[in-house]
Amino acid sequence: GQSLEQPSEVTAVEGAIVQINCTYQTSGFYGLSWYQQHDGGAPTFLSYNALDGLEETGRFSSFLSRSDSYGYLLLQELQMKDSASYFCAVRVGQAGTALIFGKGTTLSVSS
Amino acid sequence: DAGVIQSPRHEVTEMGQEVTLRCKPISGHDYLFWYRQTMMRGLELLIYFNNNVPIDDSGMPEDRFSAKMPNASFSTLKIQPSEPRDSAVYFCASSLRSGVAKNIQYFGAGTRLSVL
Repeated sequence: GQSLEQPSEVTAVEGAIVQINCTYQTSGFYGLSWYQQHDGGAPTFLSYNALDGLEETGRFSSFLSRSDSYGYLLLQELQMKDSASYFCAVRVGQAGTALIFGKGTTLSVSS
Repeated sequence: DAGVIQSPRHEVTEMGQEVTLRCKPISGHDYLFWYRQTMMRGLELLIYFNNNVPIDDSGMPEDRFSAKMPNASFSTLKIQPSEPRDSAVYFCASSLRSGVAKNIQYFGAGTRLSVL
């Protein structure tokens, strides 16, 4: 089976940097995805890592270490609008087309 | 593109009633996923289809739940009979196989179901 662990809550102030960690256990591994969900909204794709290393997309970066079954999402120059839940997810199933999500990390950004 | 469209956005029903949730995936996408989200259990994958064929329904909680995809542009998730513990937000998502490198799933706005 698959399992993912991530912190339930993180708090930070505007302009700061925050790192959300994710550890996973899976029988087969294709890659680690990150999704953002604002309160009352739908999850939206943020970033993806298939290989070890850092992927950067603007203020957001994601890192993966396959040997450690570990990844993180790094959010820089935090803004109030970044307050949301962040989910890591592993790809499973037919050619890794399905996703199993972690429980999510609620990020609260204050001024 | 209009994105993934789900209906209704909100559904309130009484225990024992049949509930049908609807989803229209993004045109051209060949994978469709149904998820359920609750505070306790998070975002759970219920079932997914490839080219209208169910691939894995191991996440469907009970026989009361069923899903169909009669064509490439429409899917339903049915609960019969509904129970209060089915109260949750149900999301539909779709993806394109050729995008497998990132496997981006696009989610609908969800249906908030309340079973009284």
